[in-house]
Amino acid sequence: EAGVAQSPRYKIIEKRQSVAFWCNPISGHATLYWYQQILGQGPKLLIQFQNNGVVDDSQLPKDRFSAERLKGVDSTLKIQPAKLEDSAVYLCASSQRGDEQFFGPGTRLTVL
Amino acid sequence: AQSVAQPEDQVNVAEGNPLTVKCTYSVSGNPYLFWYVQYPNRGLQFLLKYITGDNLVKGSYGFEAEFNKSQTSFHLKKPSALVSDSALYFCAVRDRGGTYKYIFGTGTRLKVLA
Repeated sequence: EAGVAQSPRYKIIEKRQSVAFWCNPISGHATLYWYQQILGQGPKLLIQFQNNGVVDDSQLPKDRFSAERLKGVDSTLKIQPAKLEDSAVYLCASSQRGDEQFFGPGTRLTVL
Repeated sequence: AQSVAQPEDQVNVAEGNPLTVKCTYSVSGNPYLFWYVQYPNRGLQFLLKYITGDNLVKGSYGFEAEFNKSQTSFHLKKPSALVSDSALYFCAVRDRGGTYKYIFGTGTRLKVLA
């Protein structure tokens, strides 16, 4: 069984630029999560999808962050424009019926 | 509102000794509880979960966790620590509603000393 795929693995951008991250969950997993993990901290949920509908985006900074999950499979998370404090690892995870989550390797974003 | 707490930022233990990483939770109703491990520069990996049934749950790599409803705790344990167990450990709680919403703890760094 293939795991959760994420790309790119690393990204360095200047502040005020835009960036997009891609996630392909495990086949058949209806629930997809995007987390932000700042160094030394626990994952913070940004947005949760159930199929292609949003379940929770209460902690997503909607003035600059957006996410979509077309056709209930792949998902893209975008930041526009980026700020210095957005430097973090962005983790994508998927689960089946809310059971244990399977995480991708993450994308490490550095904003200069 | 549900929450989870990991009171120790770091736990040091000698190789071969038993280890405990603490977790307490707050959730209405009966929770689903999870432990995840994060090795350096890698994503989180599932270790074990409590859904229902026996209070002692066994998971990967020889880890186990004990669900204690009266103390609202779910401590992670291992009888004999290995240096390779050194990593960041996260406790997570999920309610039993249909939203499948997780809350992660702040993490505990485990250092196993040779």
